[in-house]
Amino acid sequence: GAGVSQSPSNKVTEKGKDVELRCDPISGHTALYWYRQRLGQGLEFLIYFQGNSAPDKSGLPSDRFSAERTGESVSTLTIQRTQQEDSAVYLCASSLVTGGTYEQYFGPGTRLTVT
Amino acid sequence: KQEVTQIPAALSVPEGENLVLNCSFTDSAIYNLQWFRQDPGKGLTSLLLIQSSQREQTSGRLNASLDKSSGRSTLYIAASQPGDSATYLCATGSNYQLIWGAGTKLIIKP
Repeated sequence: GAGVSQSPSNKVTEKGKDVELRCDPISGHTALYWYRQRLGQGLEFLIYFQGNSAPDKSGLPSDRFSAERTGESVSTLTIQRTQQEDSAVYLCASSLVTGGTYEQYFGPGTRLTVT
Repeated sequence: KQEVTQIPAALSVPEGENLVLNCSFTDSAIYNLQWFRQDPGKGLTSLLLIQSSQREQTSGRLNASLDKSSGRSTLYIAASQPGDSATYLCATGSNYQLIWGAGTKLIIKP
């Protein structure tokens, strides 16, 4: 497709269950980002992938969070043993990395609700 | 540590008015500053990106300015329309890692 896509669009899960969120970046974009946005707040950086470099995981809030990316394509964000504070919208973005410009293009997000 | 603040948190104006949204940041060592629009259920749309060497960028009825020395950026919207209603976010950083404001929720009343 032409844009960044994410699935599922909504996910309701019980506390303690694992969830997996998926992101398909724009074709050709080497950089991929995951963010979390809690209600009424700005975005929190979670993780950054760039090509074959080691990802920047500095924003992951705990070891329950992990992410993978296959080459320069699909990425999955996994949250293990979900907690109620994990409820948020999870946004994925991708970008080219040219001349130091990282203009990011966002997907529609996955709204996660932990009950 | 970079902090980004947007004031006001919410703004409601009649259609047709010109308006200014504000964004301030604490560390002037930025690479660029970006303004985004967020519509419910539709993710974020990039509006304008200002490189650190630039003072402003324009796109249609939108004009964004950047003053690194004072740590401020403004987004000017001319002749506002109901379709401009959305949350506007600014974000900046020294590399790929953007630091985000909490946004200004804008409502344009017909």
